[in-house]
Amino acid sequence: GAVVSQHPSWVICKSGTSVKIECRSLDFQATTMFWYRQFPKQSLMLMATSNEGSKATYEQGVEKDKFLINHASLTLSTLTVTSAHPEDSSFYICSAPPAGGPNEQYFGPGTRLTVT
Amino acid sequence: DAKTTQPPSMDCAEGRAANLPCNHSTISGNEYVYWYRQIHSQGPQYIIHGLKNNETNEMASLIITEDRKSSTLILPHATLRDTAVYYCIVRVAGANQGGKLIFGQGTELSVKP
Repeated sequence: GAVVSQHPSWVICKSGTSVKIECRSLDFQATTMFWYRQFPKQSLMLMATSNEGSKATYEQGVEKDKFLINHASLTLSTLTVTSAHPEDSSFYICSAPPAGGPNEQYFGPGTRLTVT
Repeated sequence: DAKTTQPPSMDCAEGRAANLPCNHSTISGNEYVYWYRQIHSQGPQYIIHGLKNNETNEMASLIITEDRKSSTLILPHATLRDTAVYYCIVRVAGANQGGKLIFGQGTELSVKP
């Protein structure tokens, strides 16, 4: 099946700094990618839809100025957590449906962010 | 997208069939039933999806009731590696529908030796 990678797999940063997480579709093109956040013992929460060549669409309650999303190419989307705080510590997961392909989505392995 | 209801947890003996139910009584005619699972600390994995007919693939079978208000995911011979949280999601298929998945709480399946 199709492969989605994320980098880094885990990151520790200090409060107030920014962290960039990459999401890549390795063997297919994706005009749309999705970013989720998951706190311990909870389900995935959709944060935003990343659109290649246009602005991301954020879900209600998600701060677009804090979670910057850039979809620079058909295989890469990035999520930057700006001025991170301990409450931003979470598991961040991206997903992508192959453009013009089947309806299922392929998920990345996730990035564990810890803000100290 | 229609809301789904799943039991929070289930146990299954290794080698036996695991039957995971999902209620989606408000499903619309153009909405599909999707199943994903998430093994601890990994990204979710697609399992199967269907509209109204029963579906089977190498991972599982999906049984959808005739009125489409509920479905059951069947893992025919559960192994310890099937221990995961299983999510039933109902949504309209196709990239032109946005494609986003809204996850509920899912069912935590524990396969025991």
